[in-house]
Amino acid sequence: DVKVTQSSRYLVKRTGEKVFLECVQDMDHENMFWYRQDPGLGLRLIYFSYDVKMKEKGDIPEGYSVSREKKERFSLILESASTNQTSMYLCASRPGTGIPSGANVLTFGAGSRLTVL
Amino acid sequence: EDQVTQSPEALRLQEGESSSLNCSYTVSGLRGLFWYRQDPGKGPEFLFTLYSAGEEKEKERLKATLTKKESFLHITAPKPEDSATYLCAVQRGSGNTGKLIFGQGTTLQVKP
Repeated sequence: DVKVTQSSRYLVKRTGEKVFLECVQDMDHENMFWYRQDPGLGLRLIYFSYDVKMKEKGDIPEGYSVSREKKERFSLILESASTNQTSMYLCASRPGTGIPSGANVLTFGAGSRLTVL
Repeated sequence: EDQVTQSPEALRLQEGESSSLNCSYTVSGLRGLFWYRQDPGKGPEFLFTLYSAGEEKEKERLKATLTKKESFLHITAPKPEDSATYLCAVQRGSGNTGKLIFGQGTTLQVKP
């Protein structure tokens, strides 16, 4: 089974702190994604990466950055956390090109719930 | 603007009471419609992918259907273990650039 592991399930940070959220997948997937999930708003795409050292902005990238130095690891960085970044953060991966469309689905991690005080 | 809307927001059913969840979408260049299930405290888990109007997929008590403007997730004789939030998403663009747009989800509670 594909596994996507998010290192921290629960974090509490203070306004202005730098926050790192780590995500590791073990199935050699090319594409990786960071979403945030908020009540009434659903999942919104922050950033995604379709290959090592490649990244692309999603729909709400402001206040976030990402790093993908190795294929299996995709990090989300909050340079200076703010209270409006309190949310559930979900990492996901999928195979990428060369895979039959029916298999090209997202596999999610369990999520990291971040509270910024 | 690409958009996905799910209804109802919440649904309470008695065990055995069949019903349907709706996912309406407007997207240019639909490349697939996905249904996910999310249990509390967990990430979403993949259920189905649908690609063209008229397509149907089934899994146990769940059946997903697709038209040109919406998808339904039919739940037949639900059990308490079907309680979860069901998410719908559409993919625009293909290959590595294909991003998913998610709806807000429908939270289903099935009472014994």
